[in-house]
Amino acid sequence: NAGVMQNPRHLVRRRGQEARLRCSPMKGHSHVYWYRQLPEEGLKFMVYLQKENIIDESGMPKERFSAEFPKEGPSILRIQQVVRGDSAAYFCASSPIVGGNYGYTFGSGTRLTVV
Amino acid sequence: GENVEQHPSTLSVQEGDSAVIKCTYSDSASNYFPWYKQELGKRPQLIIDIRSNVGEKKDQRIAVTLNKTAKHFSLHITETQPEDSAVYFCAASKGGNQFYFGTGTSLTVIP
Repeated sequence: NAGVMQNPRHLVRRRGQEARLRCSPMKGHSHVYWYRQLPEEGLKFMVYLQKENIIDESGMPKERFSAEFPKEGPSILRIQQVVRGDSAAYFCASSPIVGGNYGYTFGSGTRLTVV
Repeated sequence: GENVEQHPSTLSVQEGDSAVIKCTYSDSASNYFPWYKQELGKRPQLIIDIRSNVGEKKDQRIAVTLNKTAKHFSLHITETQPEDSAVYFCAASKGGNQFYFGTGTSLTVIP
């Protein structure tokens, strides 16, 4: 089992460009979570998805951010028109069931740098 | 929503000494409390967790205690080693679909 796979590991974008972050959950896991970690800060919940459904997006900024988890393929976190404040590490986690009573398995993260 | 506070933000200990990290939470409905260790540039990894029906849990050199009345829980690392150096995050969950994380404690074990 390859674990939670995220790519790319590092992503550099100029202000105004789009960033696409990918996450493939562990085999058998149908619940995906995205968290953002700003420098020197903890992990902040962004969105929780199941296949083809966004279950909870209460942590997502209202504009420019979107997420999907299609029937086939990885989950995608998309950031449009990036700004410097979007620079952060974005971690994806997965669980076989709703993760609230079991620890997540995190991916290695994508470190987004906006220049 | 839930609010998790974590202290201290940085901690330095001599190798072999113990380290204690404390967290408080605000929502009495929270019932699951995992701890994650994150080494520099790496993913957070679950090291121990505790549920609200248990007061203490131990796994070799690490232990976690939970005081539901006071709404706080703590991570204890005994006989610290240099490889314990990392950032440690506590979290709380109400059994739903998200964790509320503390802001992290950067632990340095001095050889």
